[in-house]
Amino acid sequence: DTGVSQNPRHKITKRGQNVTFRCDPISEHNRLYWYRQTLGQGPEFLTYFQNEAQLEKSRLLSDRFSAERPKGSFSTLEIQRTEQGDSAMYLCASSPKTGVIDTEAFFGQGTRLTVV
Amino acid sequence: RKEVEQDPGPFNVPEGATVAFNCTYSNSASQSFFWYRQDCRKEPKLLMSVYSSGNEDGRFTAQLNRASQYISLLIRDSKLSDSATYLCKAGNMLTFGGGTRLMVKP
Repeated sequence: DTGVSQNPRHKITKRGQNVTFRCDPISEHNRLYWYRQTLGQGPEFLTYFQNEAQLEKSRLLSDRFSAERPKGSFSTLEIQRTEQGDSAMYLCASSPKTGVIDTEAFFGQGTRLTVV
Repeated sequence: RKEVEQDPGPFNVPEGATVAFNCTYSNSASQSFFWYRQDCRKEPKLLMSVYSSGNEDGRFTAQLNRASQYISLLIRDSKLSDSATYLCKAGNMLTFGGGTRLMVKP
């Protein structure tokens, strides 16, 4: 399977615990994005990387959230001291950077987080 | 103004109908646009890319209106299986529209 892979697919955690999600992008894609989505809403942008550089992070993103892409390949998203409001689907996407035109992004199946 | 805006719907249409929705964008420099389809509790999947004035793929047509800064998606001969949420995105923006929900009824 050469698509975007996310692990775990589901995570249930108690409030206050830390969680970490992993995303493996399509291998030749140098851009990687994290989104969060709740029911009935569009994906909400969290952060994005070009290779290992984190180029943008949502101003709405709490400092409890951190993301890394240490070698420009896979990425991790960590949420510290989880709150019930963090319950959502966390989506990762990747795209190639080719020329000056932005190309389409491809999504993983997401990690569904439930904070109890 | 939001970067990308969509009418949330729902659009309720009978099978066989033609339906269209628009997506407005704020950045006039955007050169590429994408429509994604998202089924309930699934990830968005790319439906159509638009790099010039429009694109057509079977029953689906996307049209770009640069002067008014919107992109439309037209679905002809709607099928029950077209029921989903349709998301739009401009290539140089990081945000998606909120999605338009389509429900095709028998």
